[in-house]
Amino acid sequence: QKEVEQDPGPLSVPEGAIVSLNCTYSNSAFQYFMWYRQYSRKGPELLMYTYSSGNKEDGRFTAQVDKSSKYISLFIRDSQPSDSATYLCAMSARFTGNQFYFGTGTSLTVIP
Amino acid sequence: NAGVTQTPKFQVLKTGQSMTLQCAQDMNHEYMSWYRQDPGMGLRLIHYSVGAGITDQGEVPNGYNVSRSTTEDFPLRLLSAAPSQTSVYFCASRSTGGLYNEQFFGPGTRLTVL
Repeated sequence: QKEVEQDPGPLSVPEGAIVSLNCTYSNSAFQYFMWYRQYSRKGPELLMYTYSSGNKEDGRFTAQVDKSSKYISLFIRDSQPSDSATYLCAMSARFTGNQFYFGTGTSLTVIP
Repeated sequence: NAGVTQTPKFQVLKTGQSMTLQCAQDMNHEYMSWYRQDPGMGLRLIHYSVGAGITDQGEVPNGYNVSRSTTEDFPLRLLSAAPSQTSVYFCASRSTGGLYNEQFFGPGTRLTVL
């Protein structure tokens, strides 16, 4: 079983839709949960991170962590064509050699 | 700051050839790492380093060597290229102090092995 599971999509939504992206994980030691955005032929860039359980909001983006279910989500409100990218979740535990564990990424297309 | 830079951007090799992928960062980060990204597999850690002179293996180290002689540079060497090493390679760096530190990625090197 992989450490982190993520539905690869692809996901296609109309402009203005609410998008929900999700990951599940198996290692209960994970404490830091990150979402990266990767545009085509570019390197990943950090979108948001959260520590432990709870919600974090940044503009149109909301990250949720449910450690009891080992499930994290990223919500995008009022989606825009510029949000079209691949979204990768990543996780780390403080004492596991500083390694980040990545999901496979979900490809999102927002149609104008 | 240039951030994390990688060269070359693209490379085509023949099976059995060797080459070095270059990575440099100007943020004085202790931690540097190499990932490969393949369709359906996500980012997989090849090797990482927590400081000059210290390296360790990640999830998929076979066929690759690394060294870290300076804080800034972390080259990845392919000893004898194989078609299975066709991939996009990303170098990343971050600081290690504090509770959490953002990881910065380079733009990637697209490698094709024929």
